[in-house]
Amino acid sequence: GAVVSQHPSWVICKSGTSVKIECRSLDFQATTMFWYRQFPKQSLMLMATSNEGSKATYEQGVEKDKFLINHASLTLSTLTVTSAHPEDSSFYICSARVVGLDTEAFFGQGTRLTVV
Amino acid sequence: GQNIDQPTEMTATEGAIVQINCTYQTSGFNGLFWYQQHAGEAPTFLSYNVLDGLEEKGRFSSFLSRSKGYSYLLLKELQMKDSASYLCAVIDSNYQLIWGAGTKLIIKP
Repeated sequence: GAVVSQHPSWVICKSGTSVKIECRSLDFQATTMFWYRQFPKQSLMLMATSNEGSKATYEQGVEKDKFLINHASLTLSTLTVTSAHPEDSSFYICSARVVGLDTEAFFGQGTRLTVV
Repeated sequence: GQNIDQPTEMTATEGAIVQINCTYQTSGFNGLFWYQQHAGEAPTFLSYNVLDGLEEKGRFSSFLSRSKGYSYLLLKELQMKDSASYLCAVIDSNYQLIWGAGTKLIIKP
């Protein structure tokens, strides 16, 4: 299957700093990338959907000024957690699909963010 | 609204068979996926169904009935490593992926 690379796998940062997470589709062009957040023992929570070259669509309750998403090319999307706080500590996962086709979602390996 | 229902948690014994059900009510249907997710890891693809019937892949099988809005994932010869969450996801008429909350499967020796 297709490969989606997410980096970094884990990061620890100080409260108040910003963290950038990258998501790359390595062998296909992803028209749409999705960012999820997952707290321990809970299911995936969709944060936002990003389409290449346009603004991301955020789910209700997700602060777009805090979680900045950029989808500059068909193979790269980034999520920046700005002014991170301990409550932002979570597992962030990106996935990529070619929307409009019956393709599976290919997931990055996830990023474990710990804000101290 | 769109809704996907799965049991929250199930327990089974090593070597046995377990069936995880998924019912859905979505605006249109273009396929259903099952994913496996171990704690702290990203989900991994298990199966895809778009036509009615049973798809078998080794120890795992997935069934779909579109008229009933129902699918199940069947796991045979359970192993301890099968302890994970199993996520059901449906592609709706807009080709958006709608996720269930997942079923945590606990395997006991």
